[in-house]
Amino acid sequence: NAGVTQTPKFQVLKTGQSMTLQCAQDMNHEYMSWYRQDPGMGLRLIHYSVGAGITDQGEVPNGYNVSRSTTEDFPLRLLSAAPSQTSVYFCASSPDAGHYNSPLHFGNGTRLTVT
Amino acid sequence: DQQVKQNSPSLSVQEGRISILNCDYTNSMFDYFLWYKKYPAEGPTFLISISSIKDKNEDGRFTVFLNKSAKHLSLHIVPSQPGDSAVYFCAASAGGTYKYIFGTGTRLKVLA
Repeated sequence: NAGVTQTPKFQVLKTGQSMTLQCAQDMNHEYMSWYRQDPGMGLRLIHYSVGAGITDQGEVPNGYNVSRSTTEDFPLRLLSAAPSQTSVYFCASSPDAGHYNSPLHFGNGTRLTVT
Repeated sequence: DQQVKQNSPSLSVQEGRISILNCDYTNSMFDYFLWYKKYPAEGPTFLISISSIKDKNEDGRFTVFLNKSAKHLSLHIVPSQPGDSAVYFCAASAGGTYKYIFGTGTRLKVLA
């Protein structure tokens, strides 16, 4: 059972380039989300989805785009990368977020550097 | 504004002693609280949680205490072990909002 799988593990982009961070889960979780981790800032929620076809914004959504066409996948798109988007990105899923005994399960992260 | 705060960036404790990690929150609508542990180059892993209807939850060496009037929760680790050395994040959620808000983390170092 793979859990939450994120690809790639590392990525370097030039300013203005676009890319998609991939996230897949095999636990049939309805809820998926993206966080970024920056020094001194903790984990900040970018976007989340409560099911296929449904997405919403988190705390820091600007510069990022998401879609959820299947239960398993929740890709994060950077349309025009900026140095401020240099960060470690984590994808997380949950059977039913916001309910007791339904914690988030995290992937191992993608380290993105924008030069 | 930071709704979940961990005011101690780091903590060092001797092996075998108690580690106490603290977390404060400002949003009175939060009703579900979690602690996560994170090792370098890995994703956070769930440790323990508590709902607002309780004031204490125990799981082995880990106990979480919730003081709703003070909007404060703490994680106690007894006894602390070197393998507990990691960054600990607290998180909070308000029922139905589908958003987990995390603190900035506390780096725990357990000295052998």
